[in-house]
Amino acid sequence: SQELEQSPQSLIVQEGKNLTINCTSSKTLYGLYWYKQKYGEGLIFLMMLQKGGEEKSHEKITAKLDEKKQQSSLHITASQPSHAGIYLCGAPNSGGSNYKLTFGKGTLLTVNP
Amino acid sequence: GAGVSQSPSNKVTEKGKDVELRCDPISGHTALYWYRQSLGQGLEFLIYFQGNSAPDKSGLPSDRFSAERTGGSVSTLTIQRTQQEDSAVYLCASSLPSYNSPLHFGNGTRLTVT
Repeated sequence: SQELEQSPQSLIVQEGKNLTINCTSSKTLYGLYWYKQKYGEGLIFLMMLQKGGEEKSHEKITAKLDEKKQQSSLHITASQPSHAGIYLCGAPNSGGSNYKLTFGKGTLLTVNP
Repeated sequence: GAGVSQSPSNKVTEKGKDVELRCDPISGHTALYWYRQSLGQGLEFLIYFQGNSAPDKSGLPSDRFSAERTGGSVSTLTIQRTQQEDSAVYLCASSLPSYNSPLHFGNGTRLTVT
């Protein structure tokens, strides 16, 4: 079965700093979803990547899927306290269908003002 | 528009009791999913409903767990004879039927079994 490894497990940064979170798969990715979760809340969809080399941006967050489709990175530019939370990557099993997503264990981001 | 709604938000129950968790998906979303999130385990897939098709129950951890979806909308996850290891956050999500539509999650039900 597919496994997703996220690194780092936790990250503390000063407001205004840039940061990167990685998600590495044990198998070829047929798609990759990034979500953000705040304590006591559900997951908020950020972005979805499907093609090797694809890059998407939303506000100050950029996500990329590498050419080999086994790793994705999430980059936050000029971090703000509102970026704090747990970032999770999720991937479909072979075939790319969006149900039965496998998720990484998450990266806890703290942004100090 | 309204997102995925789950109730109750918190549930404390005694070991051995049955519990029912409810999920109201986004209107127009024919696909509905239940996941469980616990410390150290991350998010685990439980069950998937798509329209009138037979649900995929392959993620249910034991026969104490069951789920139904009435009228293609609201879903109920039932856990019978709860055990302490059932303590977790139960998350419901819904999506449009296309295979790569993103899942939209509710805020979850935090279940504590004492």
